[in-house]
Amino acid sequence: NAGVTQTPKFQVLKTGQSMTLQCAQDMNHEYMSWYRQDPGMGLRLIHYSVGAGITDQGEVPNGYNVSRSTTEDFPLRLLSAAPSQTSVYFCASSPWPAYGYTFGSGTRLTVV
Amino acid sequence: AQRVTQPEKLLSVFKGAPVELKCNYSYSGSPELFWYVQYSRQRLQLLLRHISRESIKGFTADLNKGETSFHLKKPFAQEEDSAMYYCALSEGYGQNFVFGPGTRLSVLP
Repeated sequence: NAGVTQTPKFQVLKTGQSMTLQCAQDMNHEYMSWYRQDPGMGLRLIHYSVGAGITDQGEVPNGYNVSRSTTEDFPLRLLSAAPSQTSVYFCASSPWPAYGYTFGSGTRLTVV
Repeated sequence: AQRVTQPEKLLSVFKGAPVELKCNYSYSGSPELFWYVQYSRQRLQLLLRHISRESIKGFTADLNKGETSFHLKKPFAQEEDSAMYYCALSEGYGQNFVFGPGTRLSVLP
Protein backbone atom coordinates (compact mmCIF):
# COMPACT_ATOMS: atom_id res chain seq x y z
CA ASN A 1 0.00 0.00 0.00
CA ALA A 2 1.99 2.97 -1.32
CA GLY A 3 -0.52 5.67 -0.28
CA VAL A 4 -0.24 8.86 -2.37
CA THR A 5 2.63 8.89 -4.85
CA GLN A 6 3.84 12.05 -6.59
CA THR A 7 6.32 12.37 -9.42
CA PRO A 8 8.67 14.01 -10.06
CA LYS A 9 10.11 15.08 -6.69
CA PHE A 10 12.00 18.01 -8.20
CA GLN A 11 11.60 19.91 -11.46
CA VAL A 12 13.10 23.03 -13.02
CA LEU A 13 11.18 24.64 -15.87
CA LYS A 14 11.81 27.60 -18.08
CA THR A 15 9.16 30.29 -18.33
CA GLY A 16 6.56 29.30 -20.89
CA GLN A 17 7.19 25.55 -20.74
CA SER A 18 4.40 23.16 -19.90
CA MET A 19 4.51 20.04 -17.79
CA THR A 20 2.37 17.56 -15.87
CA LEU A 21 2.79 16.70 -12.21
CA GLN A 22 1.67 13.15 -11.58
CA CYS A 23 -0.34 11.95 -8.59
CA ALA A 24 -1.58 8.43 -7.93
CA GLN A 25 -3.23 6.80 -4.92
CA ASP A 26 -3.95 3.15 -4.25
CA MET A 27 -6.45 3.55 -1.42
CA ASN A 28 -9.56 3.82 -3.59
CA HIS A 29 -10.22 7.32 -2.28
CA GLU A 30 -12.88 9.34 -4.07
CA TYR A 31 -11.62 12.78 -3.04
CA MET A 32 -8.34 14.13 -4.40
CA SER A 33 -6.83 17.59 -4.23
CA TRP A 34 -3.84 19.61 -5.34
CA TYR A 35 -2.33 22.24 -3.07
CA ARG A 36 0.58 24.59 -3.41
CA GLN A 37 2.67 25.48 -0.39
CA ASP A 38 4.36 28.86 -0.19
CA PRO A 39 6.20 30.40 2.79
CA GLY A 40 3.89 32.32 5.10
CA MET A 41 0.78 31.35 3.13
CA GLY A 42 0.18 27.80 4.23
CA LEU A 43 -1.41 25.48 1.71
CA ARG A 44 -3.75 26.82 -0.94
CA LEU A 45 -6.14 24.64 -2.88
CA ILE A 46 -5.61 24.63 -6.65
CA HIS A 47 -8.09 22.06 -7.95
CA TYR A 48 -9.98 19.16 -6.48
CA SER A 49 -11.99 16.14 -7.53
CA VAL A 50 -14.84 14.33 -5.82
CA GLY A 51 -14.65 11.27 -8.06
CA ALA A 52 -13.64 10.06 -11.50
CA GLY A 53 -14.80 12.50 -14.14
CA ILE A 54 -15.59 15.28 -11.67
CA THR A 55 -13.24 18.18 -10.99
CA ASP A 56 -13.59 21.73 -9.77
CA GLN A 57 -11.52 24.82 -9.05
CA GLY A 58 -10.08 25.72 -5.71
CA GLU A 59 -8.70 28.99 -4.42
CA VAL A 60 -5.85 29.48 -6.92
CA PRO A 61 -6.71 27.62 -10.17
CA ASN A 62 -5.32 30.04 -12.77
CA GLY A 63 -2.56 28.55 -14.89
CA TYR A 64 -3.39 24.96 -13.96
CA ASN A 65 -5.56 22.23 -15.45
CA VAL A 66 -6.63 18.88 -14.04
CA SER A 67 -8.52 15.80 -15.18
CA ARG A 68 -9.66 12.66 -13.37
CA SER A 69 -10.18 9.79 -15.77
CA THR A 70 -9.67 7.10 -13.11
CA THR A 71 -10.12 6.94 -9.34
CA GLU A 72 -6.39 6.39 -8.90
CA ASP A 73 -4.86 9.23 -10.92
CA PHE A 74 -5.16 13.00 -10.68
CA PRO A 75 -2.52 14.79 -12.78
CA LEU A 76 -1.91 18.54 -12.56
CA ARG A 77 -0.94 20.36 -15.77
CA LEU A 78 0.91 23.63 -15.90
CA LEU A 79 -0.06 25.18 -19.20
CA SER A 80 2.64 27.86 -19.56
CA ALA A 81 4.92 28.03 -16.55
CA ALA A 82 5.55 31.36 -14.86
CA PRO A 83 8.02 32.25 -12.07
CA SER A 84 5.01 32.86 -9.78
CA GLN A 85 4.34 29.12 -9.99
CA THR A 86 7.58 28.32 -8.22
CA SER A 87 6.33 26.40 -5.21
CA VAL A 88 6.01 23.02 -3.55
CA TYR A 89 3.01 21.11 -4.83
CA PHE A 90 1.20 18.52 -2.75
CA CYS A 91 -1.39 16.04 -3.86
CA ALA A 92 -3.77 14.59 -1.27
CA SER A 93 -6.57 12.06 -1.15
CA SER A 94 -9.38 11.21 1.23
CA PRO A 95 -12.28 8.78 1.45
CA TRP A 96 -14.32 11.65 2.91
CA PRO A 97 -13.03 15.12 3.87
CA ALA A 98 -14.31 14.80 7.43
CA TYR A 99 -11.74 12.02 7.94
CA GLY A 100 -8.85 14.22 6.84
CA TYR A 101 -6.51 13.91 3.88
CA THR A 102 -3.46 11.76 3.20
CA PHE A 103 -0.68 13.68 1.50
CA GLY A 104 1.97 12.79 -1.02
CA SER A 105 5.61 13.70 -0.52
CA GLY A 106 5.42 16.77 -2.75
CA THR A 107 6.99 18.12 -5.93
CA ARG A 108 9.38 21.05 -5.60
CA LEU A 109 9.00 23.13 -8.78
CA THR A 110 11.23 26.01 -9.78
CA VAL A 111 10.37 28.17 -12.80
CA VAL A 112 13.24 30.29 -14.10
CA ALA B 1 -16.50 31.70 3.81
CA GLN B 2 -14.18 29.70 5.93
CA ARG B 3 -11.02 31.05 7.42
CA VAL B 4 -8.36 29.55 9.64
CA THR B 5 -5.88 31.72 11.51
CA GLN B 6 -2.75 30.77 13.39
CA PRO B 7 -1.46 33.95 15.02
CA GLU B 8 2.08 32.77 15.68
CA LYS B 9 4.46 32.22 12.78
CA LEU B 10 7.16 30.94 15.11
CA LEU B 11 6.98 29.54 18.62
CA SER B 12 10.10 28.65 20.55
CA VAL B 13 10.02 26.74 23.83
CA PHE B 14 12.54 24.85 25.91
CA LYS B 15 12.50 21.08 26.17
CA GLY B 16 10.14 19.98 28.93
CA ALA B 17 8.09 23.18 28.82
CA PRO B 18 4.38 23.19 27.96
CA VAL B 19 3.37 24.04 24.42
CA GLU B 20 0.21 25.63 23.06
CA LEU B 21 -0.21 26.28 19.36
CA LYS B 22 -3.17 28.53 18.68
CA CYS B 23 -5.79 28.05 16.01
CA ASN B 24 -8.92 30.10 15.48
CA TYR B 25 -11.49 29.62 12.79
CA SER B 26 -14.47 31.37 11.31
CA TYR B 27 -17.21 29.19 9.92
CA SER B 28 -20.94 29.42 10.26
CA GLY B 29 -21.67 25.69 10.33
CA SER B 30 -20.35 22.76 12.36
CA PRO B 31 -16.74 22.34 11.34
CA GLU B 32 -14.46 19.35 11.35
CA LEU B 33 -11.04 20.46 12.60
CA PHE B 34 -7.62 18.93 12.19
CA TRP B 35 -3.99 19.44 13.07
CA TYR B 36 -1.32 18.43 10.59
CA VAL B 37 2.42 18.26 11.25
CA GLN B 38 5.21 18.61 8.70
CA TYR B 39 8.73 17.66 9.72
CA SER B 40 11.59 19.19 7.79
CA ARG B 41 11.14 18.58 4.04
CA GLN B 42 8.64 15.78 4.60
CA ARG B 43 5.02 15.32 3.69
CA LEU B 44 2.20 16.59 5.86
CA GLN B 45 0.94 14.03 8.33
CA LEU B 46 -2.39 14.05 10.07
CA LEU B 47 -1.75 14.58 13.78
CA LEU B 48 -5.21 14.99 15.25
CA ARG B 49 -8.83 15.31 14.26
CA HIS B 50 -11.25 16.69 16.76
CA ILE B 51 -13.91 14.14 15.95
CA SER B 52 -11.66 11.34 17.22
CA ARG B 53 -10.83 13.00 20.53
CA GLU B 54 -7.52 11.19 20.48
CA SER B 55 -4.08 12.00 21.82
CA ILE B 56 -1.17 11.49 19.46
CA LYS B 57 2.48 11.86 20.54
CA GLY B 58 1.23 13.53 23.72
CA PHE B 59 -0.66 16.26 21.84
CA THR B 60 -4.30 17.04 22.48
CA ALA B 61 -6.68 19.63 21.09
CA ASP B 62 -10.10 20.71 22.25
CA LEU B 63 -12.69 22.34 20.08
CA ASN B 64 -14.12 25.44 21.77
CA LYS B 65 -17.12 26.50 19.72
CA GLY B 66 -17.75 29.57 21.89
CA GLU B 67 -14.27 30.94 21.21
CA THR B 68 -14.08 29.29 17.76
CA SER B 69 -10.72 27.84 18.67
CA PHE B 70 -8.92 24.52 18.34
CA HIS B 71 -5.64 25.02 20.15
CA LEU B 72 -3.03 22.26 20.15
CA LYS B 73 -1.40 21.47 23.48
CA LYS B 74 1.34 19.31 24.89
CA PRO B 75 2.38 19.38 28.55
CA PHE B 76 6.09 18.63 28.02
CA ALA B 77 7.72 19.52 24.69
CA GLN B 78 10.39 17.28 23.19
CA GLU B 79 13.08 18.27 20.69
CA GLU B 80 11.60 15.90 18.13
CA ASP B 81 8.40 17.97 18.21
CA SER B 82 10.19 20.71 16.27
CA ALA B 83 8.21 21.00 13.03
CA MET B 84 5.67 23.04 11.14
CA TYR B 85 2.11 22.68 12.42
CA TYR B 86 -0.97 23.45 10.38
CA CYS B 87 -4.53 23.77 11.57
CA ALA B 88 -7.17 22.81 9.00
CA LEU B 89 -10.93 22.97 8.70
CA SER B 90 -13.40 20.94 6.69
CA GLU B 91 -17.06 21.57 6.13
CA GLY B 92 -17.50 17.88 6.80
CA TYR B 93 -19.68 17.13 3.85
CA GLY B 94 -18.20 19.27 1.11
CA GLN B 95 -14.84 19.49 -0.52
CA ASN B 96 -13.57 22.67 1.06
CA PHE B 97 -10.59 21.83 3.23
CA VAL B 98 -8.84 25.00 4.32
CA PHE B 99 -5.44 25.30 5.98
CA GLY B 100 -4.11 27.99 8.25
CA PRO B 101 -0.75 29.64 7.48
CA GLY B 102 1.10 27.37 9.89
CA THR B 103 3.21 27.80 13.04
CA ARG B 104 6.81 26.69 13.20
CA LEU B 105 7.54 25.12 16.57
CA SER B 106 11.15 25.10 17.69
CA VAL B 107 11.95 23.11 20.84
CA LEU B 108 15.27 24.19 22.27
CA PRO B 109 17.53 21.85 24.27
